Amino acid sequence: KAGVTQTPRYLIKTRGQQVTLSCSPISGHRSVSWYQQTPGQGLQFLFEYFSETQRNKGNFPGRFSGRQFSNSRSEMNVSTLELGDSALYLCASSHPGQPYGYTFGSGTRLTVV
Amino acid sequence: AQSVTQPDIHITVSEGASLELRCNYSYGATPYLFWYVQSPGQGLQLLLKYFSGDTLVQGIKGFEAEFKRSQSSFNLRKPSVHWSDAAEYFCAVQNTGNQFYFGTGTSLTVIP
Repeated sequence: KAGVTQTPRYLIKTRGQQVTLSCSPISGHRSVSWYQQTPGQGLQFLFEYFSETQRNKGNFPGRFSGRQFSNSRSEMNVSTLELGDSALYLCASSHPGQPYGYTFGSGTRLTVV
Repeated sequence: AQSVTQPDIHITVSEGASLELRCNYSYGATPYLFWYVQSPGQGLQLLLKYFSGDTLVQGIKGFEAEFKRSQSSFNLRKPSVHWSDAAEYFCAVQNTGNQFYFGTGTSLTVIP
């Protein structure tokens, strides 16, 4: 059974650009969540998608957006990148309503220069 | 509101020594509790989980955790630490709405 796949693994972007990150959940998982991880702030919840609908949203500016496709794959987009957006972005999938916990991908390391 | 506290930011233990990482949670109902481990540059791997029943749960890599409702704690333990256990450890609680709340993590260093 394949795990959660995130692409790309590493990304370097220039301030002001935009970026799109991709996440393919475990087969059968319909809930996908995104987290930003930085040394100073730890794991911060961005948003959760279920059946192509955003179900929960964290406290991030509107520059951060996401979507989910009918096959449960998800993308997140960050526009007008700032230096502070440099982080490890983690995607996780789960069974909604079941306490199985998240299964995380290896993350995308975004560096903004 | 739900929250998770990991009071120890960093812990150093000798290889072969026992380990206990502390986790306290705040949640109104019976919580679903988890421990995750993260190696540098990697995602988080699930070590173990508690839903209900036996309050002592076994996980992978020889880890176990004990749920104590009276203390709102879910501490992670390992009898004998290996150098490969050096990593960041996160405690998390899940509510019925499938929202997860993570602690700030405990960094474990293992010295030979």
